[in-house]
Amino acid sequence: TQLLEQSPQFLSIQEGENLTVYCNSSSVFSSLQWYRQEPGEGPVLLVTVVTGGEVKKLKRLTFQFGDARKDSSLHITAAQPGDTGLYLCAGRAGGTSYGKLTFGQGTILTVHP
Amino acid sequence: GAGVSQTPSNKVTEKGKYVELRCDPISGHTALYWYRQSLGQGPEFLIYFQGTGAADDSGLPNDRFFAVRPEGSVSTLKIQRTERGDSAVYLCASSLSGRAPYEQYFGPGTRLTVT
Repeated sequence: TQLLEQSPQFLSIQEGENLTVYCNSSSVFSSLQWYRQEPGEGPVLLVTVVTGGEVKKLKRLTFQFGDARKDSSLHITAAQPGDTGLYLCAGRAGGTSYGKLTFGQGTILTVHP
Repeated sequence: GAGVSQTPSNKVTEKGKYVELRCDPISGHTALYWYRQSLGQGPEFLIYFQGTGAADDSGLPNDRFFAVRPEGSVSTLKIQRTERGDSAVYLCASSLSGRAPYEQYFGPGTRLTVT
């Protein structure tokens, strides 16, 4: 069974601070996706990383896939109240299970004005 | 274009009743997925379809849960003899298949409450 451990579970910071969310596993993933979810809505895809060591940037958000494709991180620079939400990482194993995503427990981020 | 839609948005039912949850995927997406999300947790995989057939149903918790996709588009998740532990948000997602990385796009979910 593949597991993704996400940390921290809760993060409460002031506007303008930087933060990093981590997603770790003992298993290798063929790709990893990051989602953001707001209350009452479904997860919204932010980015997909595929290659070990890959770094992708989306405005103030930087995503990295570990070299061994077992871990990933999300870094937010100068957080804003609009960044508040639940951040989820999700890995895809590939092979015969290519359609199935395994999610982490999520990180609830609150950015205070 | 339109995203994934799910109906109803909320469903309250009594323990022991039967419920059906519907998902309309993004037009042209041949793969469809069902997940279940409990409060404070990440989504948990239930089943996914490639066209009309269930390609992986390993996440269905027991035989009270069943899903169909008869024409390769709309899917229905069916739960028999509901239990209070079935209360959760049921999420549907769809993706283009046949090409990695199979990015999944989610609907808003159906919140199921079993009383």
